[in-house]
Amino acid sequence: AQKVTQTQTSISVVEKTTVTMDCVYETRDSSYFLFWYKQTASGEIVFLIRQDSYKKENATVGHYSLNFQKPKSSIGLIITATQIEDSAVYFCAMRDTGNYKYVFGAGTRLKVIA
Amino acid sequence: DMKVTQMPRYLIKRMGENVLLECGQDMSHETMYWYRQDPGLGLQLIYISYDVDSNSEGDIPKGYRVSRKKREHFSLILDSAKTNQTSVYFCASGHAYEQYFGPGTRLTVL
Repeated sequence: AQKVTQTQTSISVVEKTTVTMDCVYETRDSSYFLFWYKQTASGEIVFLIRQDSYKKENATVGHYSLNFQKPKSSIGLIITATQIEDSAVYFCAMRDTGNYKYVFGAGTRLKVIA
Repeated sequence: DMKVTQMPRYLIKRMGENVLLECGQDMSHETMYWYRQDPGLGLQLIYISYDVDSNSEGDIPKGYRVSRKKREHFSLILDSAKTNQTSVYFCASGHAYEQYFGPGTRLTVL
C-alpha cells in the first residue's frame, strides 16, 4: 500500500526567506505522480505543483519548486521569497499511474511572519 | 469557470439519522472523489467514482455509500450516522494530473 509521510507538523519562517517542506513516500509502483496541495485558512484546497516519477528534472511553478530525490523516495517542496499569504497547510500526495486514487500526507502548517 | 460545489456547507445531525452530502462539478470530469479531513490525519479517501455508476471504495469506506447518476453530480450518504463521522468532508473532481476541491462540508453528529 502507498504511504505518504510529512514529519514536520509546523514551520515558522520570516517573510522573503526560503522554506523547504519535507515529504517521503512509499510505493511498490515503478511509475507514479507526486503532488503538493495548499489549504488556506478559509479551508480552500488548491493544487500547486506535480512531479512525474519518470522525470529527472525538478518541477517548478512560479515561486514553488520541488526537490525530487527518487532513491530516497523524497519530494520536498521549496518556496522561495515567501510571502505572508503563503501561510497555510501544505499537503503532499501521490498516486500511481495505474489508477486515480490519491494518498495524502498529514500536512505541514507554514506560518510566514513579517 | 471551473468549479466544484458542495451542499450543505454546515450540517448538524443526531446519531442514527441519515445524512446526504451533495457535490457538483461543471468541468465534465469523469473522476470524482469524497474525502474526509480530521485533525492531524490529512485527507482520507472514502470513495472514488470513475464515471456514472462506476464507483470504487477508497481507504475508509465503512459507514458510507455513494451515488453517481449524472457525471456532474456525486453524493455521499451516511446511513445511520455515528458520532465518529463528525468531520469535514471534501469532494473533488479531476483529470489525469490535477484535482479540484470543493469548499467542504462540516458535519457534526451529536
